[in-house]
Amino acid sequence: KAGVTQTPRYLIKTRGQQVTLSCSPISGHRSVSWYQQTPGQGLQFLFEYFSETQRNKGNFPGRFSGRQFSNSRSEMNVSTLELGDSALYLCASSLWGILAGEVNEQFFGPGTRLTVL
Amino acid sequence: GQQVMQIPQYQHVQEGEDFTTYCNSSTTLSNIQWYKQRPGGHPVFLIQLVKSGEVKKQKRLTFQFGEAKKNSSLHITATQTTDVGTYFCAGQGGANSKLTFGKGITLSVRP
Repeated sequence: KAGVTQTPRYLIKTRGQQVTLSCSPISGHRSVSWYQQTPGQGLQFLFEYFSETQRNKGNFPGRFSGRQFSNSRSEMNVSTLELGDSALYLCASSLWGILAGEVNEQFFGPGTRLTVL
Repeated sequence: GQQVMQIPQYQHVQEGEDFTTYCNSSTTLSNIQWYKQRPGGHPVFLIQLVKSGEVKKQKRLTFQFGEAKKNSSLHITATQTTDVGTYFCAGQGGANSKLTFGKGITLSVRP
């Protein structure tokens, strides 16, 4: 089975611009979660989508948004970029919610490294 | 909101020494997971614990879930250089609730 893929892998933007990141989950996984990883802050949860619906949301400003398509692929968008948005953005897919009570293993993609200048 | 804490953030050990790290949640958890991230890599799932007092072993790694389901530990016996990386715990409060990650502990092993 192919793993989680994320595109692009690297991105350089300037302050004020917007960016869209893409994530393709493992086939059959309907849950996709997004995390922001910065040095010293660990993985901060952005949001989770399940069957095209946002099921959980973290504590990020409204500039961060996402969506999920019928084929479970997901995108996240960051508008009006700030320097502090520079980070590794990780997407993870799982069977979470399909196999209730089972192991909710998150399968992470390689991430998109976003640099804001 | 739910907080998951891992302290300290860095630990250095001599190869062959044992290593233990702890994870504490501000609220009772339905389950806790552990992940390992190698330098330059992405987090990889290690284990999920669900039951109060549960203990699971994977070769030299031993994971435990506290009786009150608010804390967990990871113990590595006789560390090896292949154990280097950042270990994250992640807790889930209830069914379908979000997974909250700790900040992780970065382990370095001196050969």
